[in-house]
Formats: sequence, C-alpha cells, structure tokens
Amino acid sequence: NAGVTQTPKFRVLKTGQSMTLLCAQDMNHEYMYWYRQDPGMGLRLIHYSVGEGTTAKGEVPDGYNVSRLKKQNFLLGLESAAPSQTSVYFCASSYRGDYEQYFGPGTRLTVT
Amino acid sequence: GEDVEQSLFLSVREGDSSVINCTYTDSSSTYLYWYKQEPGAGLQLLTYIFSNMDMKQDQRLTVLLNKKDKHLSLRIADTQTGDSAIYFCAGEGGGADGLTFGKGTHLIIQP
Repeated sequence: NAGVTQTPKFRVLKTGQSMTLLCAQDMNHEYMYWYRQDPGMGLRLIHYSVGEGTTAKGEVPDGYNVSRLKKQNFLLGLESAAPSQTSVYFCASSYRGDYEQYFGPGTRLTVT
Repeated sequence: GEDVEQSLFLSVREGDSSVINCTYTDSSSTYLYWYKQEPGAGLQLLTYIFSNMDMKQDQRLTVLLNKKDKHLSLRIADTQTGDSAIYFCAGEGGGADGLTFGKGTHLIIQP
C-alpha cells in the first residue's frame, strides 16, 4: 500500500514552459487535493476533486489546471510557468471531505 | 468559512513540554486534527480529537479542546530533537473542499 505518491520530486522550469505534476493514490479515496506551500503562507488549496471526472477551484487556482480522469490519479498542470509558481506542491487524498487527509511527499518546483 | 490561527514559532528546551496552540472559528467541525511535517517531507496525521471530547491522550501527546473558546492545543511531553517539525492544526471548512489548515507552528528544540 503505497498511499499517496507524487512525481516528479523535483523540477526546474524556465518561465513560459509547461509541465504536469502527477498524483496517485491507492486507497480508493474519493477526494483529492492539490496544495502549494510557501514560507509564511502555510498550505493553500489550488484545486480539488470530489470524485472521478470532477474538479473544483480552491483558494489559489489561477495559472493551474487539473484533471481527474481516473479515480486514483489527480493531475496538476501549469500551462505557462511563472516565477511566482516556484513552490512546494503537495497532493492529498481523503475518503470524505471531513475526514483526515493523507499527503504525498511533495514536489519542489523552481521556475527561473 | 473556517479560519484557523496558530503562532508561527515555538522554542523549547529538550526534555521540557511543548504546548502548541490553535484557534478556530467554525464550531461545526466534527473532528479537529494535528499534522506534523518534518523537513523535506509531506504532512502526516499526528492525532485528532472528536468534537464532543475535551481531552485525548496518546503516549507523549495530549490534545485539549475548549469548544467554548474555540481553542485547541497539542502538548508534547519530554520534547525530543526528533519532535522538531512544523505542526499544523486543521478543522473542517464546512464545505466540500475538505479541511482548513492553520499556517503551521515551527517547533524549535534547544539542546
């Protein structure tokens, strides 16, 4: 039981480049989340999903897109990366919205 | 929606008790959570408390909940260097977007 996994672990992008972060969970959870973590800002919710085929905006959705084509996967896309998107990105999943969330190990993204 | 507040830093001596405090605004949360984030890692659930309880003890950890004041605390007895981490409290946001996290408290252990 791997829990929540994220790929890649590290990435450096140039401004304007695009990339996709992959999150996978093997716990059959309905809910999945993408957060970014910046110093002094805590965790901020980017997008979330309450089930396969659904997505919704969180607190800071601009500049990101997401897809949940399969229940176990939640993809976060950056179409045109900006230096302001330099951050550590965490994926999480939960059985329900009010249940505990399980976190992945994070992806450290630097945009130059 | 829910608003969760924590102090950013707490410094304690090794062997002393640490008390990390959190205040929240939404009294409808069924559960309140404490997460631990070690350097370079994701968040891990440390403990939680059901809203109809006022105390929960788990080995070195004690969670106290004061529903009247909407105050949650985490006490770590005999603090060790391995306890050095960021501690997040979290409550339910009242909607489908899951939990609301505080900004995290950095626990710094002095030798």
